[in-house]
Amino acid sequence: SQTIHQWPATLVQPVGSPLSLECTVEGTSNPNLYWYRQAAGRGLQLLFYSVGIGQISSEVPQNLSASRPQDRQFILSSKKLLLSDSGFYLCAWSELQTHTIYEQYFGPGTRLTVT
Amino acid sequence: GQQVMQIPQYQHVQEGEDFTTYCNSSTTLSNIQWYKQRPGGHPVFLIQLVKSGEVKKQKRLTFQFGEAKKNSSLHITATQTTDVGTYFCAAGGTSYGKLTFGQGTILTVHP
Repeated sequence: SQTIHQWPATLVQPVGSPLSLECTVEGTSNPNLYWYRQAAGRGLQLLFYSVGIGQISSEVPQNLSASRPQDRQFILSSKKLLLSDSGFYLCAWSELQTHTIYEQYFGPGTRLTVT
Repeated sequence: GQQVMQIPQYQHVQEGEDFTTYCNSSTTLSNIQWYKQRPGGHPVFLIQLVKSGEVKKQKRLTFQFGEAKKNSSLHITATQTTDVGTYFCAAGGTSYGKLTFGQGTILTVHP
């Protein structure tokens, strides 16, 4: 069966420090991968998605970047964190999509607090 | 871009009462998905609706997709404390499986 891992689970970082969040998926090949951010009590904002190794699409201009160095690995990074980067970061995967929309499976998330 | 509006934002019910959340779009949707997020947890997929007028049931949950494919609803009959959480609708996009999530409805069930 497929599983998705995210780490760390929680993180407290000072303003201006770098960030690296990692997401890995097991049990599937060529997944679509997604990074979302959820502010407290709010909906999910899509940050990045990837349809293959090295292929990253950004949804919103921001202080963050993403990379996909391996088929089932997705990394979210920042060179200098801002207070507004605080939130709940969720990684998700879905089957490779062409004309069919598949459901997404979310990881446990990382709670980031920027102080 | 595609937007979906979800109402209400909050709903407090007594255990045993019914609950409904609505998802509306100004454009025709190709499909709609529903997710549940327990407090402190991550969203979990519940169901996908694709056809106009489609109705699907999962035990006490009933999902509907409007005839015009511009709205959807989730109805829970006789809520239980295990139903607490945030319910999201999500509209499927035309490329790469991107979903546009509604803001969610936070359901609180009082025993």
